Amino acid sequence: EPEVTQTPSHQVTQMGQEVILRCVPISNHLYFYWYRQILGQKVEFLVSFYNNEISEKSEIFDDQFSVERPDGSNFTLKIRSTKLEDSAMYFCASRAGGYTDTQYFGPGTRLTVL
Amino acid sequence: TQLLEQSPQFLSIQEGENLTVYCNSSSVFSSLQWYRQEPGEGPVLLVTVVTGGEVKKLKRLTFQFGDARKDSSLHITAAQPGDTGLYLCASDNQGGKLIFGQGTELSVKP
Repeated sequence: EPEVTQTPSHQVTQMGQEVILRCVPISNHLYFYWYRQILGQKVEFLVSFYNNEISEKSEIFDDQFSVERPDGSNFTLKIRSTKLEDSAMYFCASRAGGYTDTQYFGPGTRLTVL
Repeated sequence: TQLLEQSPQFLSIQEGENLTVYCNSSSVFSSLQWYRQEPGEGPVLLVTVVTGGEVKKLKRLTFQFGDARKDSSLHITAAQPGDTGLYLCASDNQGGKLIFGQGTELSVKP
């Protein structure tokens, strides 16, 4: 069964460093998302991406964040200068098409900022 | 922004017991989804309910959508240790963005 994959599973970085989190969505899906979950808190929407551009972003997704689909398969989230409060699980999700289609989540990347 | 409130936040029961988890909103859901999340993994979709009053069954899990589409419940019959996990409700705002509740942490002891 097709699945969303994410790498790395765990990333440890120093405050102020740049990190890139990688996702490979399901191959025929058109809509892509990033969510994050700070330990003990709810899953929060960060950004949605369709047709090679951001379609919606939350107030969390400030200028330090960017997303890219550099080729036909990868979808990346870059944090330019990490802060301690960026420590969280980051989940990528993809959806085939219509609004009623299921979003499939990847296993997540645990980001730890020291 | 729509807020989803789940209750209870934590639930610890013995194997074989029944339980119900609730998800409520002050505004109408366009659709409501229930997910299960295990530690270190992403949420996995259990069911989507769309129509007010809808009831869906998934083995020992029964999902109900309120008539006014502002609340939903998940009922588990004869819970088993394998049901242990975080149960999340989420609403889709028709833009694809999911808004999640804070989750119910279920622990089923053998």
